[in-house]
Amino acid sequence: NAGVTQTPKFRILKIGQSMTLQCTQDMNHNYMYWYRQDPGMGLKLIYYSVGAGITDKGEVPNGYNVSRSTTEDFPLRLELAAPSQTSVYFCASRQGARGAQHFGDGTRLSIL
Amino acid sequence: LAKTTQPISMDSYEGQEVNITCSHNNIATNDYITWYQQFPSQGPRFIIQGYKTKVTNEVASLFIPADRKSSTLSLPRVSLSDTAVYYCLVAGVNYGGSQGNLIFGKGTKLSVKP
Repeated sequence: NAGVTQTPKFRILKIGQSMTLQCTQDMNHNYMYWYRQDPGMGLKLIYYSVGAGITDKGEVPNGYNVSRSTTEDFPLRLELAAPSQTSVYFCASRQGARGAQHFGDGTRLSIL
Repeated sequence: LAKTTQPISMDSYEGQEVNITCSHNNIATNDYITWYQQFPSQGPRFIIQGYKTKVTNEVASLFIPADRKSSTLSLPRVSLSDTAVYYCLVAGVNYGGSQGNLIFGKGTKLSVKP
């Protein structure tokens, strides 16, 4: 099992560009999450999904969009990149609303 | 929303037992307590979870007093490889499975020395 896979690992964007961060999991988990982590800080929840076709906002959703068309995939979309979105983005999944979240290795995004 | 407070950093030596305490004074009835470990350039990794009293697994113990306003992660006989940031997460499940209260604090940076 690969677990949670995030692509790309690194990316540099210019202000105003758009991109999609990919996340896929092979554990058949129904819950999936997107977090961002700024230097020296904890993780902040951006969006989450409790199953295919269902998404909801977390603590910091502004500037992002998500979709969940399949159980496996949960892409995060940045439409108009801003310097404030420079961060490390982590995707996670778990089976059910409690228990261990399984995290990917992150996408390091810089917006210049 | 239950907020958590942890020490910013702790130092220890190999072979010692390390106890990291997390304060969560406004924990709700349906909140549970989860600890994660994070190494540089990696995603967090689950350590242990509990609701009350004591929970033990192969790598750690979690102590939760009766009032549940704090919890202590205990790492027995730490090694250099335990150097990492440790996060305490207090969160519950709202009706319908809402996850909006998943808030990680700044964590505790543990440094284990030889």
